[in-house]
Amino acid sequence: QSVLTQPPSASGTPGQRVTISCSGSRSNIGSNTVNWYQQLPGSAPKLLIYSNNQRPSGVPDRFSGSKSGTSASLAISGLQSEDEADYYCTSWDDSLDGHVVFGGGTKLTVL
Amino acid sequence: QVHLQESGPGLVKPSETLSLICAVSGGSISSDYWSWIRQPPGKGLEWIGNIYYSGSTKYNPSLKSRVTISVDTSKNQFSLKLSSVTTADTAVYYCARGPMVTQIHYWGQGTLVTVSS
Repeated sequence: QSVLTQPPSASGTPGQRVTISCSGSRSNIGSNTVNWYQQLPGSAPKLLIYSNNQRPSGVPDRFSGSKSGTSASLAISGLQSEDEADYYCTSWDDSLDGHVVFGGGTKLTVL
Repeated sequence: QVHLQESGPGLVKPSETLSLICAVSGGSISSDYWSWIRQPPGKGLEWIGNIYYSGSTKYNPSLKSRVTISVDTSKNQFSLKLSSVTTADTAVYYCARGPMVTQIHYWGQGTLVTVSS
């Protein structure tokens, strides 16, 4: 059972906009920033969004992040076939002397 | 360009200690946070712990009693030791680097460690 809650799956057709949610609590998302990772099949994860809504260099602006209270969302607009991957949210949790928590991951399917 | 490479045994017996090294090239280990993250086959990511270049560490509370992460600045590498392993510790183990603990910009390719007799 992951500390951060994500839907196990999401889907969309090419060109559509999809959102993936990440729900936490006051000790993690409510008090700290959220980062998102994309993991393509057979590859290591890649940082997609950091500090709630910042994109690292090279990440298309089709990807955006937001945070409100104890929840966060990742939005992908203009969905493309290469976006089919697993997506993970993560944050710092202030409880138990502090530690990193991950969401369980969302498998995005491009139909 | 920073490159991270995990190395270590691919097979460990139950109750023994899993030991991995992450070699860092293309940059100094004397800055940023250095992490170990694992992923059991077909499952999600789990943070194991991290070390700051100065040597301070943070561990996953559920693994804390079994984990040791250390850094060797002279060799530009850091390491993971996980004791008393069980089959539940079978996973791909990634080493990673970032300016903040949760903000990881660089990942190793990952190494599969299987716990089996």
